[in-house]
Amino acid sequence: GAGVSQSPSNKVTEKGKDVELRCDPISGHTALYWYRQRLGQGLEFLIYFQGNSAPDKSGLPSDRFSAERTGESVSTLTIQRTQQEDSAVYLCASSTRTGPSYEQYFGPGTRLTVT
Amino acid sequence: TQLLEQSPQFLSIQEGENLTVYCNSSSVFSSLQWYRQEPGEGPVLLVTVVTGGEVKKLKRLTFQFGDARKDSSLHITAAQPGDTGLYLCAGGSQGNLIFGKGTKLSVKP
Repeated sequence: GAGVSQSPSNKVTEKGKDVELRCDPISGHTALYWYRQRLGQGLEFLIYFQGNSAPDKSGLPSDRFSAERTGESVSTLTIQRTQQEDSAVYLCASSTRTGPSYEQYFGPGTRLTVT
Repeated sequence: TQLLEQSPQFLSIQEGENLTVYCNSSSVFSSLQWYRQEPGEGPVLLVTVVTGGEVKKLKRLTFQFGDARKDSSLHITAAQPGDTGLYLCAGGSQGNLIFGKGTKLSVKP
């Protein structure tokens, strides 16, 4: 089947505007993760969803960031009142199970540029 | 805060050379994964190691997990241009993964 898909692939927005990033996980994957990758950096964990459990939001950098997921399907990451430091690639990953030993399958990312 | 330090940050070598990159921490991890990321794409899992001292081989790549499960190494034999990419290690902890900043490898023909 298809891999993890993300849209848009690129997004340029003005400082102060809100943006929504979308992730379509692999069908049947119960766990879904969002990461942020700044230029030349590793992956910074933002949030993860596991089935119908309450999401782990411990990585969200501020209250301008939020994410939703309906059941075990699509997820959206919303950034309100964007700032220039929000510029990064936002990666989504899904997995059959949560936990550190289960392979995470990553999407190609959304490159966000805040001008 | 658990951190994974990767070294070197950048590595540029000629085709056919051998290389080793390192992933170190002061914390113990329940597992360690290595990913490779190519420009414009998401990371792809190469291997997961879970036992202290474990060695896994994937063609020309050899992965080792330290005895104390705090560090890992990736050795590539006879590197090829197709090995070029960002190599990320990720440590398993409390149900999540903590990523290092990566080693950017460039193999020139």
